[in-house]
Amino acid sequence: KAGVTQTPRYLIKTRGQQVTLSCSPISGHRSVSWYQQTPGQGLQFLFEYFSETQRNKGNFPGRFSGRQFSNSRSEMNVSTLELGDSALYLCASSSLPGAGETQYFGPGTRLLVL
Amino acid sequence: AQRVTQPEKLLSVFKGAPVELKCNYSYSGSPELFWYVQYSRQRLQLLLRHISRESIKGFTADLNKGETSFHLKKPFAQEEDSAMYYCARGPVLTGGGNKLTFGTGTQLKVEL
Repeated sequence: KAGVTQTPRYLIKTRGQQVTLSCSPISGHRSVSWYQQTPGQGLQFLFEYFSETQRNKGNFPGRFSGRQFSNSRSEMNVSTLELGDSALYLCASSSLPGAGETQYFGPGTRLLVL
Repeated sequence: AQRVTQPEKLLSVFKGAPVELKCNYSYSGSPELFWYVQYSRQRLQLLLRHISRESIKGFTADLNKGETSFHLKKPFAQEEDSAMYYCARGPVLTGGGNKLTFGTGTQLKVEL
């Protein structure tokens, strides 16, 4: 099976712009989670989707949003970009949402905000 | 708030020496606990989780509920073990979702 894929892999934006990142889960996986990784804050949970519904949301401002499509693919959007949004954004998929489910991570999208 | 603490940012050991990467978690029910590893230029991947009680690549981790710890151990370090290790906890087992709370990570360097 192909692993989790994320596009684009690298992105450069300027302050005030918006950005959309895409994640394709492993075939058959229906749960997708997003994480932000920065040197200062480490890995932080953004949100989790299952069956096109957001199940959990982390402590991020409303500028961060996401959605999931019927084929389980997911997108996250960040509006009005700030310098502090520069980070590696990781997507993870699992077959089901559940504390014991193994999550498989994608390679990430590296976002640089200038 | 759920917290995972990894006190060491960097741990350097010699090849063949024992390894112990420390992890403590905030108490809240019976969390699912994981160790993830990230080798250089590779994606984050699951190393082991406490519920499966497996030994992966010679690593083991024992849950100590009294000390709320989940330390990762290996009796003899190998050069290929050099990587970034993250301890993580899930929500309480009876809850929904699979949000992971990660520690800040420990960089393990195995020297020859």
